[in-house]
Amino acid sequence: GNSVTQMEGPVTLSEEAFLTINCTYTATGYPSLFWYVQYPGEGLQLLLKATKADDKGSNKGFEATYRKETTSFHLEKGSVQVSDSAVYFCALYTQGGSEKLVFGKGTKLTVNP
Amino acid sequence: NAGVTQTPKFRILKIGQSMTLQCTQDMNHNYMYWYRQDPGMGLKLIYYSVGAGITDKGEVPNGYNVSRSTTEDFPLRLELAAPSQTSVYFCASSYTSDRGGYTFGSGTRLTVV
Repeated sequence: GNSVTQMEGPVTLSEEAFLTINCTYTATGYPSLFWYVQYPGEGLQLLLKATKADDKGSNKGFEATYRKETTSFHLEKGSVQVSDSAVYFCALYTQGGSEKLVFGKGTKLTVNP
Repeated sequence: NAGVTQTPKFRILKIGQSMTLQCTQDMNHNYMYWYRQDPGMGLKLIYYSVGAGITDKGEVPNGYNVSRSTTEDFPLRLELAAPSQTSVYFCASSYTSDRGGYTFGSGTRLTVV
């Protein structure tokens, strides 16, 4: 079945540090890949997505590249801010199967001033 | 734009009680979903719907029921509350053509005592 594995958290960084959150997946077919972000006390928000191999999704300074050869979709940001503190979820979606996103367990990021 | 609206935001139930979690979206999305979020476990799909009158089970449907009489509304019913149903519940919706690009509500925090 389809699954997503994220790096274990929590992750604690200082402001302006470089961020990488690893995500790998297992899927049948050709999945679309997503990163969602959940700020404290809120629902999830779509951060970025990529729908085919070698696509790069980007938003708010975050980037992730769809790597089919390594089945990965790692999230990166060059300089994090305190306001980036949140839980980040990697997810995949495959058409033709059950109509749902499959989420990783989430990685909590805390950025200190 | 209201997006996806969930009510109530918080609720405490006694074991054996029943309740309905409400979810309404004003974006004319065909697809709607109910997830539960448990600490460190990511999101698990309870039920989903691909259109009015059509519902299907997700990964963890036991103890829950849903209906979809209109495009806008997708209520989740708990018939006999159990402590294992203590969780945060999220409703989400998406366009047919944007699968995986979900809009989430802000959640309902349910405690069963």
